[in-house]
Amino acid sequence: QLQLQESGPGLVKPSETLSLTCTVSGGSLSSSYYWGWIRQPPGKGLEWIGAIYYSGNTYSTYYNPSLTSRLTISVDSSNSQFSLKLSFLTAADTAVYYCARLGRNGGSYSYFDYWGRGTLVTVSS
Amino acid sequence: EIVLTQSPGTLSLSPGEGATLSCRASQNVRNNNLAWYQQKPGQAPRLLIYGASSRATGIPDRFSGSGSGTDFTLTINRLEPEDFAVYYCQQYGSFTWTFGQGTKVEIK
Repeated sequence: QLQLQESGPGLVKPSETLSLTCTVSGGSLSSSYYWGWIRQPPGKGLEWIGAIYYSGNTYSTYYNPSLTSRLTISVDSSNSQFSLKLSFLTAADTAVYYCARLGRNGGSYSYFDYWGRGTLVTVSS
Repeated sequence: EIVLTQSPGTLSLSPGEGATLSCRASQNVRNNNLAWYQQKPGQAPRLLIYGASSRATGIPDRFSGSGSGTDFTLTINRLEPEDFAVYYCQQYGSFTWTFGQGTKVEIK
């Protein structure tokens, strides 16, 4: 059974950079799937952050246009992990951050089928 | 960017009743790349429906999805106590994934 687990700091100061890692177990990170990040501010809805496709030695990244200037998503295949870095944090970035796998329907990786439990990140001084 | 609008915002129903949730897209959702999720407090979302109408593994058949183009529906037949939750639709197109704002199904 595929499992995903987010890890990272629970508290980050404004203007600093958030680094989160998602560890994938029970399956291969390089099995030609897309992997994504989603966040949810307290009491609010879901927002797609970005996604990465990894296969062999190649990867492609896709970012939410509203976050692209502050966002980097990368892969560490040796540790079966993918990561998120979000810079210049403000209070508006306070949210539960989820990592997830994108499932394939026909020719598109269109839906999130496996999710981590999420990790709460608070941006505050 | 495709915007998804869900209605109603809140649905107040009793166990055993049926629920109809709507998701309307601002543009055509190509290839019916529309999914539905259920989220309970303190939990991650759970995939219910993908491809507009295909049930995910292990999802009871009282959940069904329909629609195409810009109008999609999630139907829950005979609500069980565990079905009271928030439901989100989500679309994919051109390497962009977006969610609706959610519909809360609460006990009347």
